[in-house]
Amino acid sequence: EPEVTQTPSHQVTQMGQEVILRCVPISNHLYFYWYRQILGQKVEFLVSFYNNEISEKSEIFDDQFSVERPDGSNFTLKIRSTKLEDSAMYFCASRPLAGPSYEQYFGPGTRLTVT
Amino acid sequence: AQKVTQAQTEISVVEKEDVTLDCVYETRDTTYYLFWYKQPPSGELVFLIRRNSFDEQNEISGRYSWNFQKSASSFNFTITASQVVDSAVYFCALTGQNTGNQFYFGTGTSLTVIP
Repeated sequence: EPEVTQTPSHQVTQMGQEVILRCVPISNHLYFYWYRQILGQKVEFLVSFYNNEISEKSEIFDDQFSVERPDGSNFTLKIRSTKLEDSAMYFCASRPLAGPSYEQYFGPGTRLTVT
Repeated sequence: AQKVTQAQTEISVVEKEDVTLDCVYETRDTTYYLFWYKQPPSGELVFLIRRNSFDEQNEISGRYSWNFQKSASSFNFTITASQVVDSAVYFCALTGQNTGNQFYFGTGTSLTVIP
């Protein structure tokens, strides 16, 4: 069964450094998402991406964040200058253009630790 | 506004007991979808069940069952004959036709099954 993959599974970085989280969505999917989960809290929407542009973003997704689909398979989340509060699990998700129930398929997550 | 409320923060049950996890939602969409995800200690989000707003038939799938009551805006999830491996955090989530298809998650219910 096709699945969303994410790399790395765990990233440790120092405050102020740039990080890029990578995701490979399911190949025939056209909508892509990033979510964040701070430890012990709920999963929160960051951004959705369709047709090579951001379709929606939350207030969490400020100028420090950017997303890109650099080629036909990868979908990346960049944090330009990490802060301690960026420490969280980051989930990528994707869905087909037309789905019967708008189900999103989640990747296994990347745990980001900012020290 | 879209909102998901999981009032139960933590639940402990003894193995083989049945347990019901509560979920109450708010939405302005007439077409929407409800989900339950399991998050084991390893951190990934595991899809469990999905329900459409226009299908109120409740079902049983193995040890899982759900009770969708549209009039009460509730979507409760029951595990029968609980097992230690069921110990995890369970999230209820909502998405709709007019919400940009982002998922709105509840705060989660931490279930501990005691052997």
